[in-house]
Amino acid sequence: AQSVTQLGSHVSVSEGALVLLRCNYSSSVPPYLFWYVQYPNQGLQLLLKYTSAATLVKGINGFEAEFKKSETSFHLTKPSAHMSDAAEYFCAVSAYSGAGSYQLTFGKGTKLSVIP
Amino acid sequence: EPEVTQTPSHQVTQMGQEVILRCVPISNHLYFYWYRQILGQKVEFLVSFYNNEISEKSEIFDDQFSVERPDGSNFTLKIRSTKLEDSAMYFCASMKPGQNTEAFFGQGTRLTVV
Repeated sequence: AQSVTQLGSHVSVSEGALVLLRCNYSSSVPPYLFWYVQYPNQGLQLLLKYTSAATLVKGINGFEAEFKKSETSFHLTKPSAHMSDAAEYFCAVSAYSGAGSYQLTFGKGTKLSVIP
Repeated sequence: EPEVTQTPSHQVTQMGQEVILRCVPISNHLYFYWYRQILGQKVEFLVSFYNNEISEKSEIFDDQFSVERPDGSNFTLKIRSTKLEDSAMYFCASMKPGQNTEAFFGQGTRLTVV
């Protein structure tokens, strides 16, 4: 079984400041990790994914995340927040569930507010 | 760019009525999912579907729920007798085979049970 914990349901940063959204996972098999973003009244859009090729993953809109196996973490960062980054961010882990299915498990989400 | 499409975008129904939420996954994808998100809460897994059968379902997915892929393109979620607590955003997703492929999500159907 796998699970995802996102620390902080709400994070506020000033425009131009560093964004850090935390995600820790647990998985009994090698995990594949994702960050999705949800803008108001929209669906889920993939930001980036960890595919075991590189531990530092770059995504869209200047976001990146680093996979740290020893810490079971996959934190999302962006050097300089922009107003348009205000959204809800979901960390997710995918693992083969053994029933012909890859189950995607989401964290509870972190709402990012950007203060002008 | 291929995308997952869901219809309707918003459905209002009376408690006790049946609803069918429709999804058209991306054509070469083989894994299909339904998730729901109650307002202000996390995205919750409902069910996964592969090779024309349910491969996994959560505790939420009780006997009131069913899924079907009737014609090889549509993927539907039926709620037989809706309850107030079924009000949520329902997301369909599809995925190609492979361990590191991501799920592509539709824009969701907002279900309101009154």
